[in-house]
Amino acid sequence: NAGVTQTPKFQVLKTGQSMTLQCAQDMNHEYMSWYRQDPGMGLRLIHYSVGAGITDQGEVPNGYNVSRSTTEDFPLRLLSAAPSQTSVYFCASSFARGSPLHFGNGTRLTVT
Amino acid sequence: DAKTTQPPSMDCAEGRAANLPCNHSTISGNEYVYWYRQIHSQGPQYIIHGLKNNETNEMASLIITEDRKSSTLILPHATLRDTAVYYCIVRVPGIQGAQKLVFGQGTRLTINP
Repeated sequence: NAGVTQTPKFQVLKTGQSMTLQCAQDMNHEYMSWYRQDPGMGLRLIHYSVGAGITDQGEVPNGYNVSRSTTEDFPLRLLSAAPSQTSVYFCASSFARGSPLHFGNGTRLTVT
Repeated sequence: DAKTTQPPSMDCAEGRAANLPCNHSTISGNEYVYWYRQIHSQGPQYIIHGLKNNETNEMASLIITEDRKSSTLILPHATLRDTAVYYCIVRVPGIQGAQKLVFGQGTRLTINP
């Protein structure tokens, strides 16, 4: 198993541009989530999903959209990037809502 | 907001036991305590979790007080590779009874040679 795969690893955007951060897992996990981590800070939950077609907001959802059309994929969309969205983004998945999370290696996003 | 309180930093000598405390005084009866760690800028790594009883696995032990208001993660023989930020987390309710994890700022553990 590849586990949780995030692409790209690095990305630079200009203010106002849009992009999609990809996250895929091959473990047949129902639960997937997105976090952002700013320098010196803990992780903050952006959005999460408990299965295909079901998503909910986390602590910091503004400026981000998600959808879950398949079990494997959970993309995070930035509609109009802002410098405040400069951060490291982590995707995670788990077998069930009480199971340990498996994290990807992150996407480092810079918005200028 | 995170429902846990941890010291921002701790030091431990290599080979000694590292004991990381966590306060979760508002935890409810069906909430689990989870521990993760993050080494450098990698994705967090699961360590252990528990509800009421003490738990042990190949990485660590988790001691939860009888009133469940606090817990301690124990790394029995710390090595330099255990230097990381350690997060203590409790689950909070989400949609359809699902639960989401909220990370605080964690404890930065430094293992000294």
